[in-house]
Amino acid sequence: GDQVEQSPSALSLHEGTGSALRCNFTTTMRAVQWFRKNSRGSLINLFYLASGTKENGRLKSAFDSKERYSTLHIRDAQLEDSGTYFCAAETGGYKVVFGSGTRLLVSP
Amino acid sequence: ETAVFQTPNYHVTQVGNEVSFNCKQTLGHDTMYWYKQDSKKLLKIMFSYNNKQLIVNETVPRRFSPQSSDKAHLNLRIKSVEPEDSAVYLCASSPSSYEQYFGPGTRLTVL
Repeated sequence: GDQVEQSPSALSLHEGTGSALRCNFTTTMRAVQWFRKNSRGSLINLFYLASGTKENGRLKSAFDSKERYSTLHIRDAQLEDSGTYFCAAETGGYKVVFGSGTRLLVSP
Repeated sequence: ETAVFQTPNYHVTQVGNEVSFNCKQTLGHDTMYWYKQDSKKLLKIMFSYNNKQLIVNETVPRRFSPQSSDKAHLNLRIKSVEPEDSAVYLCASSPSSYEQYFGPGTRLTVL
C-alpha cells in the first residue's frame, strides 16, 4: 500500500502569506527529502532530514520519524515559489518512496 | 548546477521499438536509481544500483533492463516499448546518506 501520503494536493496562496505542506508515513522512515519541481521539470533539492528541523530562507522543514510525518513550511510566499513540491521518504534498503506532490500557486 | 546528466531529453517512438536512455553522475556517488513518473505525476522507483550491483528491482515488466558499466553510469533499456511506457524517466544518484540528486529526466512518448 501507499507509504507516503502528501497533503494538500493543491494550495493557493497570496503573496506574503504562508502555509504548510505535510507528508504522513504509514511506516517508520529513516529520512525525508523535500523537492521543488522547477520550470524545466527538474527536481530541485530543498531539504534532506534524518531528524529535527532545518531552515533555509523562507522555508522550514521538520521530520519526526517516531510520529511518522514531515512538514514543509513556507512563509512570506513569493510568486516564484509557485510549482510542485514533493516529499520523498527513505524506507531503507536503497528505496525511496515519493509523495504525490503539492501544486502550489502563489498569486499577487 | 546539474551533476546528474540524462540523454536524450525527449524520445518519440512506436510500439514495439527498443529504446535506451543514458544517465551519468559526476558526484562520485555509489548509488544510482531509475524512477518512472507517470501521467499522474507519481514518482515510483524502478531500480537502484549500488557500486554496479542491482539492489532494488521493483515490479517492472521484464522488457525494462538497467545496465551499469561503472558506478557513475546507469542506463535503462526498454525492449519492445508499449503505450503505457509513455512517461518521464528520472535518474538519480545518492551518497551513503541516500539523499537523492536528480537528473532532468527523459520524456518518452510511445505512439
